[in-house]
Amino acid sequence: DTAVSQTPKYLVTQMGNDKSIKCEQNLGHDTMYWYKQDSKKFLKIMFSYNNKELIINETVPNRFSPKSPDKAHLNLHINSLELGDSAVYFCASSQDGRADEKLFFGSGTQLSVL
Amino acid sequence: GQQLNQSPQSMFIQEGEDVSMNCTSSSIFNTWLWYKQDPGEGPVLLIALYKAGELTSNGRLTAQFGITRKDSFLNISASIPSDVGIYFCAGHLRNNNDMRFGAGTRLTVKP
Repeated sequence: DTAVSQTPKYLVTQMGNDKSIKCEQNLGHDTMYWYKQDSKKFLKIMFSYNNKELIINETVPNRFSPKSPDKAHLNLHINSLELGDSAVYFCASSQDGRADEKLFFGSGTQLSVL
Repeated sequence: GQQLNQSPQSMFIQEGEDVSMNCTSSSIFNTWLWYKQDPGEGPVLLIALYKAGELTSNGRLTAQFGITRKDSFLNISASIPSDVGIYFCAGHLRNNNDMRFGAGTRLTVKP
């Protein structure tokens, strides 16, 4: 009954590869997010989706592309992976997408680019 | 860039001690939230604050929304080993449409 679930938990890959991380929420929330947590544990928002529309797109490389087949899913595709992409990526959701809302996070995907 | 200053960066305490951490900013916030991240997991919401001066408790945790709306603190009383983790403050800026996170306070509790 996990509220926000993401897969895989760990992802180890070579530079230049393309990979995807999947996320699903069963909370009935309208908005989903992707956050990146660097080695210093700093959390930075990457994207959010509300009803299949991108509403926040921070200054991330265009190698990163979120894809949402429906409001319960938000996948993250990464092309041409680079060493600096190594981090923990968290999916999250909130009820309506208001900036002051509580966020519900997944357990993270630790990406290691070799 | 980051607009929240969270301190301390880390704390090492003995079981049973009280803990205090805070977040400050030069900007005015409409909302403060406190999250805890256990190792290998995502952050989990502890307390949400929506009004200046608001004081809210959740078990042994107490958090306050600063009266100037530029700061917030989180206290943990009578710490126990399972309090170990990273505590994040997060705030919604008054004139901004996203949530900003502090850099986190890493708490270690020695039995």
